[in-house]
Amino acid sequence: NAGVTQTPKFRILKIGQSMTLQCTQDMNHNYMYWYRQDPGMGLKLIYYSVGAGITDKGEVPNGYNVSRSTTEDFPLRLELAAPSQTSVYFCASSYGRDGNTIYFGEGSWLTVV
Amino acid sequence: GDSVTQMEGPVTLSEEAFLTINCTYTATGYPSLFWYVQYPGEGLQLLLKATKADDKGSNKGFEATYRKETTSFHLEKGSVQVSDSAVYFCALIQQGGKLIFGQGTELSVKP
Repeated sequence: NAGVTQTPKFRILKIGQSMTLQCTQDMNHNYMYWYRQDPGMGLKLIYYSVGAGITDKGEVPNGYNVSRSTTEDFPLRLELAAPSQTSVYFCASSYGRDGNTIYFGEGSWLTVV
Repeated sequence: GDSVTQMEGPVTLSEEAFLTINCTYTATGYPSLFWYVQYPGEGLQLLLKATKADDKGSNKGFEATYRKETTSFHLEKGSVQVSDSAVYFCALIQQGGKLIFGQGTELSVKP
């Protein structure tokens, strides 16, 4: 029972490098989300998607891009990594808009040096 | 805009002590409210929720009541255990399924 799977779990990037955080869910959920978690700041929404082919910006989208070509996958792209993007990233998914069905991945720890 | 404010941590308690973590919110309308828990090195798990005023959510001995008058959703537990040590997040849900989180409160329970 996989749920929401994120990779990689840990990554160190140099300033200016690019990378993609992968997110896959096997629950056939329409809604998917990317959050970042900074110490003492809670979680902030980066991007979200309400279905394949549809994405929209959240609170903190700058420096990131997403795509949603399939229901299962929702990758997050960092094009030019900056130290301010050092954070823990969580992918989540839900079937509908009701919050009790939101499932989170285990997180990806990213450090930009 | 919508926002959630939690009491600052860390909170350190002895085992079997009473726990309260305060949470207040600002929102348009009456959104559903949630408490999520994050154990070390893990993702977030839903702990409990309430969907309307005066609803009480409960799970694993934790409770929280949706108070419209005070715009609050305080988390309580009568007797904490070492295994309750985690970070607790209060959240509300906006239209479209987007969660707005508080900053989190770290709880440490000592034997």
